[in-house]
Amino acid sequence: NAGVTQTPKFRVLKTGQSMTLLCAQDMNHEYMYWYRQDPGMGLRLIHYSVGEGTTAKGEVPDGYNVSRLKKQNFLLGLESAAPSQTSVYFCASEGGKYGYTFGSGTRLTVV
Amino acid sequence: DQQVKQNSPSLSVQEGRISILNCDYTNSMFDYFLWYKKYPAEGPTFLISISSIKDKNEDGRFTVFLNKSAKHLSLHIVPSQPGDSAVYFCAASDGGNKLVFGAGTILRVKS
Repeated sequence: NAGVTQTPKFRVLKTGQSMTLLCAQDMNHEYMYWYRQDPGMGLRLIHYSVGEGTTAKGEVPDGYNVSRLKKQNFLLGLESAAPSQTSVYFCASEGGKYGYTFGSGTRLTVV
Repeated sequence: DQQVKQNSPSLSVQEGRISILNCDYTNSMFDYFLWYKKYPAEGPTFLISISSIKDKNEDGRFTVFLNKSAKHLSLHIVPSQPGDSAVYFCAASDGGNKLVFGAGTILRVKS
């Protein structure tokens, strides 16, 4: 089925470890986004991309890096994980008048 | 400071009755508003939207009302069904592609 696929679905990291979250979409969308969801905070934008080779900072970019080397993929990296980065991460791609199409999320725990 | 606020963390409604979810915003530049529904372990999915040139948009059991002067919108679900139990996010756009989300409201429909 067409849509947005996130890998992995779950991950536990130790403080200081690094990891990359992968987001892939097969809808040929130009715009892609990374959000984090925390209780009482809703969805907050981390980074976004308006096309292949471009990235920009969102509301809460510190501690994260992103890359969009291919149009269909948007990677979110944590270079040195901290407990404050424990969250559920959602990737989305721009879906026209229906807004975003979201992936099913990655639940990350940093201990 | 949150630009989109959903002040009710949760709402409980009896099956068959009306559910009313509220959302307030502070940015007068917002001109497009959306509601997303989210089930556990899934990403948010688009539900309904409204442009600032309208004050009402209806889609089946779902109706969104917009009061621009009060910077307030609401989602009405009539009649409510147990399958409507989910987290509902209000989101707003200022004409760009980035969406600003509220914190979400957990709706529980009791049968």
